[in-house]
Amino acid sequence: GAVVSQHPSWVICKSGTSVKIECRSLDFQATTMFWYRQFPKQSLMLMATSNEGSKATYEQGVEKDKFLINHASLTLSTLTVTSAHPEDSSFYICSARAGGRAYEQYFGPGTRLTVT
Amino acid sequence: TQLLEQSPQFLSIQEGENLTVYCNSSSVFSSLQWYRQEPGEGPVLLVTVVTGGEVKKLKRLTFQFGDARKDSSLHITAAQPGDTGLYLCAAEYGNKLVFGAGTILRVKS
Repeated sequence: GAVVSQHPSWVICKSGTSVKIECRSLDFQATTMFWYRQFPKQSLMLMATSNEGSKATYEQGVEKDKFLINHASLTLSTLTVTSAHPEDSSFYICSARAGGRAYEQYFGPGTRLTVT
Repeated sequence: TQLLEQSPQFLSIQEGENLTVYCNSSSVFSSLQWYRQEPGEGPVLLVTVVTGGEVKKLKRLTFQFGDARKDSSLHITAAQPGDTGLYLCAAEYGNKLVFGAGTILRVKS
């Protein structure tokens, strides 16, 4: 099956610094990738849709300038959390769409971000 | 109001018991997915149902899509501790997937 990786798997950063999370589709090309945020014992909340070669589409309430998304190639999307604060601490999950339907997406293993 | 109403939110049962998780909506969907997620990992797709009235079985798990394609259920027979996890239903909404709130299942031995 299709494999999506994320790096790093966990990261601890200090308040005010920025941190970059990578999402890669390892064995397929993905023109569309998605970034989700998940708080403990809660469901996934879509943050943004990342399209290769164009600007990301952010969901309502998600700060574009805080969560920078770059989809520079068909196998790589990055999420940069800028000027991180403790409330940004969360589990960030990416997915990559392998087909024409929204449900044809494969999820990465997630990145645990802790801001101290 | 969430697009997908998932219930129950929490479920703690003994090994060997049966359980059902529900995913309901007032909207009609072209497909619906069920995922299982373990702590610290990404969700793993269990099944996709696309036809109204469809029933799919995956070992001890039975998935059903409502005739009107507005609701779905996940039934687990003889639950085992290894079934413990977060179960999520999801459906296509435009070019996105929307998720239910999730059901945390704990199976005690």
